[in-house]
Amino acid sequence: DAGVIQSPRHEVTEMGQEVTLRCKPISGHNSLFWYRQTMMRGLELLIYFNNNVPIDDSGMPEDRFSAKMPNASFSTLKIQPSEPRDSAVYFCASSLFGGVYEQYFGPGTRLTVT
Amino acid sequence: DQQVKQNSPSLSVQEGRISILNCDYTNSMFDYFLWYKKYPAEGPTFLISISSIKDKNEDGRFTVFLNKSAKHLSLHIVPSQPGDSAVYFCAASARGGSNYKLTFGKGTLLTVNP
Repeated sequence: DAGVIQSPRHEVTEMGQEVTLRCKPISGHNSLFWYRQTMMRGLELLIYFNNNVPIDDSGMPEDRFSAKMPNASFSTLKIQPSEPRDSAVYFCASSLFGGVYEQYFGPGTRLTVT
Repeated sequence: DQQVKQNSPSLSVQEGRISILNCDYTNSMFDYFLWYKKYPAEGPTFLISISSIKDKNEDGRFTVFLNKSAKHLSLHIVPSQPGDSAVYFCAASARGGSNYKLTFGKGTLLTVNP
């Protein structure tokens, strides 16, 4: 079975550019999460979708960040404009029954903003 | 305010010995706990979980112990193998009501030496 798929795996961009990260959750999972991992803050939850609807975006750091889930098999996280402090690894995860049980993570996108 | 704490950033053990990774939590509403393992350049992978109605859960070489009164859990790996070298994250959730989040610790890097 395919796990969570993320693309691209690596992204290097210049400050001010738009960045779009993509995620395909596990088929049949109804919950999707975007996380950011940094050395200082660890794994931070950015946004949670349930049945394609954003439920909690309180972790999104600024208005420069936005996320969409147009259907059950695709989600995007967009940063516009990007800044060097956005450099991190971004993970997408999916699960059944909300997120309080096991969540299954994708391989992550390593973003570097210069 | 860190609700899930892994106070040891790193741990080194010899192959064949026991590895003990510790985790403390402060939120008394947490009633489900998970351990994830993460290799470099990969996403976290679910390892084992425990509900608050239990004090021990075992899966092969991995055992998780929960001490609710101390708000402490630990992961035991016996015997440790070089392939167990990874970052281990402790996570917790509160399953009641509309909760959906996993709260993660910052991780412990385990190195198993041959």
